Amino acid sequence: DQQVKQNSPSLSVQEGRISILNCDYTNSMFDYFLWYKKYPAEGPTFLISISSIKDKNEDGRFTVFLNKSAKHLSLHIVPSQPGDSAVYFCAASVNGNKLVFGAGTILRVKS
Amino acid sequence: DSGVTQTPKHLITATGQRVTLRCSPRSGDLSVYWYQQSLDQGLQFLIQYYNGEERAKGNILERFSAQQFPDLHSELNLSSLELGDSALYFCASSVDIGGTYEQYFGPGTRLTVT
Repeated sequence: DQQVKQNSPSLSVQEGRISILNCDYTNSMFDYFLWYKKYPAEGPTFLISISSIKDKNEDGRFTVFLNKSAKHLSLHIVPSQPGDSAVYFCAASVNGNKLVFGAGTILRVKS
Repeated sequence: DSGVTQTPKHLITATGQRVTLRCSPRSGDLSVYWYQQSLDQGLQFLIQYYNGEERAKGNILERFSAQQFPDLHSELNLSSLELGDSALYFCASSVDIGGTYEQYFGPGTRLTVT
């Protein structure tokens, strides 16, 4: 039962352009959403989060958009840099309890 | 550096054995979470402790157990190990105050069962 889905296993983007990573969820009880970045041999690193009462949250080059009616969120990275190349995980929780993770999307930023 | 520490970094052991993984949360964080990442799977939630008490349980096997001590560090005990238990085990911590629930992950312990 995959409650959080990242349907694109990988994404390749040119340096300086926008990267858009997508995530869909099925559980309408989720009220907090997070994006994590993971490099090989390291733990996931928290990037940005959004509460279900908002539809957008911005932090520097990273913006997360939440569309509750479509049960969809996306992470925009502008401009993309080679150092952004990593695996990106979408995660969701109910009342801050256990995180339910998507399978991840590998982002490659080409210079 | 997330501020969460995990030891050991690598562990190689044989089937049937028992191991203990250790986690120290970020200073001030009361919640500790354990996750398992197998090769063919994403991060799977195992268990959460909050200030010494078990708060939530995921798909944790009966052969696995955890606890959180008064100094807030946590240990995950894995017993009667099987080949399929080989995975990365991550610990995360959060402060759980004011409606913010970001979890900060340690570098993980890679367990290899031979």
